Amino acid sequence: GENVEQHPSTLSVQEGDSAVIKCTYSDSASNYFPWYKQELGKGPQLIIDIRSNVGEKKDQRIAVTLNKTAKHFSLHITETQPEDSAVYFCAAWPAGGTSYGKLTFGQGTILTVHP
Amino acid sequence: DAGVIQSPRHEVTEMGQEVTLRCKPISGHNSLFWYRQTMMRGLELLIYFNNNVPIDDSGMPEDRFSAKMPNASFSTLKIQPSEPRDSAVYFCASSLGLAGGGPNFGPGTRLLVL
Repeated sequence: GENVEQHPSTLSVQEGDSAVIKCTYSDSASNYFPWYKQELGKGPQLIIDIRSNVGEKKDQRIAVTLNKTAKHFSLHITETQPEDSAVYFCAAWPAGGTSYGKLTFGQGTILTVHP
Repeated sequence: DAGVIQSPRHEVTEMGQEVTLRCKPISGHNSLFWYRQTMMRGLELLIYFNNNVPIDDSGMPEDRFSAKMPNASFSTLKIQPSEPRDSAVYFCASSLGLAGGGPNFGPGTRLLVL
């Protein structure tokens, strides 16, 4: 089945700096890669996603890159703000094979942005 | 759009009791997922449905856990009997199909088994 590894587990930055979170996946059948932000006491919220036919996607201060050959994808947050502090999860979703439909999450990254 | 609705939001029960968690997916979404979140194990997929049919329940930890989706707008996750190690936050999520897009998560049910 799919296995998603996420690094780092914690990330501390100063306001205005950039933050990068990296994930690798194992199942070549995965073709959809969402990123979620989870604030304390709330459910994960989808913030950006990318499909395997795209190498990069950007939405304001957030961007995601995908290297399908190397099976890794990354989340980039620029000009970080204190409200970006949360737990971030990457995930991989196989479109076929034995793990079809099995959305698998990474272990999460606790991002802290210091004012 | 009301989003995914879960109830109850908090549940405290004693070991051995039956616990039923409920979920109403987003209208029009035909795929539904149940996840469990703990500090030690992160977000674990328990079971998921497509068009009300269970597709993969390999993540269900034991026979004490069962899930049903009697119709497109309702699903339950039942634990009987409950044990202290079942204490966790249980999330329901829904999406339009299994081919990617979302899914959207509910607010979760925080379960504490004493």
